[in-house]
This record gives sequence, structure tokens and C-alpha cells, in this order.
Amino acid sequence: DTEVTQTPKHLVMGMTNKKSLKCEQHMGHRAMYWYKQKAKKPPELMFVYSYEKLSINESVPSRFSPECPNSSLLNLHLHALQPEDSALYLCASSQDRSRDRANQPQHFGDGTRLSIL
Amino acid sequence: AQSVAQPEDQVNVAEGNPLTVKCTYSVSGNPYLFWYVQYPNRGLQFLLKYITGDNLVKGSYGFEAEFNKSQTSFHLKKPSALVSDSALYFCAVKDRDDKIIFGKGTRLHILP
Repeated sequence: DTEVTQTPKHLVMGMTNKKSLKCEQHMGHRAMYWYKQKAKKPPELMFVYSYEKLSINESVPSRFSPECPNSSLLNLHLHALQPEDSALYLCASSQDRSRDRANQPQHFGDGTRLSIL
Repeated sequence: AQSVAQPEDQVNVAEGNPLTVKCTYSVSGNPYLFWYVQYPNRGLQFLLKYITGDNLVKGSYGFEAEFNKSQTSFHLKKPSALVSDSALYFCAVKDRDDKIIFGKGTRLHILP
């Protein structure tokens, strides 16, 4: 069982809908990440939160809006998405101790498979 | 810039035989190297990492990886493959901004 929980597992939405993806971890990790993964491709980084503050935005379109309400939760708000946004959206977390943050692995959830009609 | 390359899109191995999934890296400074596995309809699972120390790193599920500085390689190995090892494998490197840079992935097929 994964220690990072993502809901929902599947989501189908129209281009005018508003929906949110949720991610939760209780490992005490202070860095959390959103990735987008297309079929048979590696994950692409979207956002990084460190200590509940947005630290990296990889030039993601504004129709994706991340939120980190507390150290255990990470949301991704979706609005007016396009068909090419259909993908697997992965959340991950890792320790964020500045002394050795670079060698900390990321722990991934099982993702939300998003389909845009 | 940091990068990793996985030269094989797919590797086929008979069950019980040893397996190798290749990865080469290009980094400035000390490399922080990782292997992840992804099973169908699942997220990525961490297998092992190299930071410093012994060149042979042992990880989960009987996997190990050999760090070779002269060849800038970090190949994933297992002495005896299982059908359940069939999955998509990603080599990765951490860059200075703590981002993970993934290779394109190698699909491993273990044939019964």
C-alpha cells in the first residue's frame, strides 16, 4: 500500500467543469510535488511545495492551480482544461531537511487518471 | 545540466535469468542517482539510490545497481528475474534545485 493517498482514482470532466485533485501524506514530509504523466512517458514536474509554500512552478498554465492547506495535504484545482490535459496526475512527497534534501527519494501516490471530454 | 539516458526502450529476459537495465548519467558535481519502478495503473515506487560510498547499492525486491564513475553508468541488476518484475523502470538524477530528472523509461518483460 502506498503511503501517499490520492483521490479520486479516476476523473472524467468536461472542458468547462471545475474539479479538484487531492493528495494526502502522513509521513511528516515537508516537500510535496505534482507531476503529469502521459502514457509510456516519464513524469513531468508541475509544482513543488516546500514547508507549505510554492517553491517551483514549471511554467504550468493557469488552468491548473495548486494549493497546500497544511503540511499533509496538497490539492490541484482544475478549471477549463483542454483535451491534451488528459493524463495521469501523480502526487509525491519527500523529506525536506536542507542538510541532505538532495539525497531523499520521493514517495509517489498511485495517481488520478484524468480524462477531458 | 543534469541528465540520464536509458538506451533501451524494452528489455526481454527469460524468467530465472539475470537482468540488467542500463542507465548512463551526465552531471556536474556529485551525482545523486535513483531507480524507480512503475507497475500498470500505479505510481512510481522507489527501488534504490546512490549518494556516496560503495559502488554496489542494494535495494528493494532483490534489485541492486552498480555505480561506475569511469563509464558514468548506473545499471540496474537482479540475479534471477521473476515474471512479477515486468514493469516500467525509470533511472533518475537529482539536480541542484532538488528536481528529479527522469530517463525516458525502459519496459522490462520477463518471459515465463
